[in-house]
Amino acid sequence: AQTVTQSQPEMSVQEAETVTLSCTYDTSESNYYLFWYKQPPSRQMILVIRQEAYKQQNATENRFSVNFQKAAKSFSLKISDSQLGDTAMYFCAFKASQGGSEKLVFGKGTKLTVNP
Amino acid sequence: DGGITQSPKYLFRKEGQNVTLSCEQNLNHDAMYWYRQDPGQGLRLIYYSQIVNDFQKGDIAEGYSVSREKKESFPLTVTSAQKNPTAFYLCASSVSGGKGSPLHFGNGTRLTVT
Repeated sequence: AQTVTQSQPEMSVQEAETVTLSCTYDTSESNYYLFWYKQPPSRQMILVIRQEAYKQQNATENRFSVNFQKAAKSFSLKISDSQLGDTAMYFCAFKASQGGSEKLVFGKGTKLTVNP
Repeated sequence: DGGITQSPKYLFRKEGQNVTLSCEQNLNHDAMYWYRQDPGQGLRLIYYSQIVNDFQKGDIAEGYSVSREKKESFPLTVTSAQKNPTAFYLCASSVSGGKGSPLHFGNGTRLTVT
């Protein structure tokens, strides 16, 4: 079974600085997809970024980028120029691409606080 | 606008009563999911459905039941057999087919059982 581990329950960063959230996962699949979701205080789940495992290039979405290390099974999220609106819970998630299962497995989350 | 609607936003029930949470989507997605969120636990999968009239148990299905009679609807019933039903429940949907499509989420239902 796939598992996703987020080792940092809480983090804080000063506005305009850069922060990196860690995520590791365990799987025997060769191809899969990884996601970062953001959950602000409104509790709406928002997709931040998506990475396909067979793609070497790290995904980037504006101020958000990932460091995908397939051999190490690591998928960290870097937030540059942090803004107050980035304050939220961040969840790392894994989805296998084969086997008929479309399940998304989530980590327990990292609570990020951006301080003014 | 396309989206996922969960209702109600807050739900209160007495212990021993069954309660049904509604989830409707107009995104034409084949797959739908129910997750439970507790503090410090992340999101845990209760049930999912990849096609009408078919669904599978997730990791914490005990005490819950679902139906998928229509593509647009995936209601979740929390039965009296669920020992700790108080939680935040999230419904989601996605395009099916193993292409790594992301989940789209509703706004959630906060269930409190006393």
